[in-house]
Amino acid sequence: ETGVTQTPRHLVMGMTNKKSLKCEQHLGHNAMYWYKQSAKKPLELMFVYSLEERVENNSVPSRFSPECPNSSHLFLHLHTLQPEDSALYLCASSQSLAGPGGDTQYFGPGTRLTVL
Amino acid sequence: AQKITQTQPGMFVQEKEAVTLDCTYDTSDQSYGLFWYKQPSSGEMIFLIYQGSYDEQNATEGRYSLNFQKARKSANLVISASQLGDSAMYFCAMRLYRDDKIIFGKGTRLHILP
Repeated sequence: ETGVTQTPRHLVMGMTNKKSLKCEQHLGHNAMYWYKQSAKKPLELMFVYSLEERVENNSVPSRFSPECPNSSHLFLHLHTLQPEDSALYLCASSQSLAGPGGDTQYFGPGTRLTVL
Repeated sequence: AQKITQTQPGMFVQEKEAVTLDCTYDTSDQSYGLFWYKQPSSGEMIFLIYQGSYDEQNATEGRYSLNFQKARKSANLVISASQLGDSAMYFCAMRLYRDDKIIFGKGTRLHILP
């Protein structure tokens, strides 16, 4: 398997459910990212991890909880979500966190989340 | 405030024609990178091209080129000889190396007509 993979591709959940999104990168990268793409907003960066340490949290509500157990895997744990959280959630990875060119991000296919 | 502006929400272009997607950015930083991504209907984001703020030449990658005009703070994407498979959403993004902040534009939906 190559590139960045995300599972599941589609998820429908109720507001009281707990679910997790999974991202795996096979590129040997050191940084991983979670993005949210809503229908009428620019792509929003949610979390950034570098070498398994969280380095950025863009004022994301606590009902979203990221986890990075190693440099290849990134999870987004979801609980008590709201209907407005329905969106496409994209994972990305890059070789490094900064530096010209070296931080080009490669994205996974996304998880389409619907909260009922 | 740092910002990316893509003024064309949607564009229709005849197949085989060249197309320019506009992107302007706003930052007072000197060190930054500019990126273009393509997002087909499947949802994934595909990296197309990168331009560093200190690069003197415009970046090119196959049919993609980035028309970088630093003084105007514009980073337009040019696709030569468009193909039906180019129909997608296109995002311009900026990375500030001072604080690693990443900012995306709202995107332009490109439709290639046969």
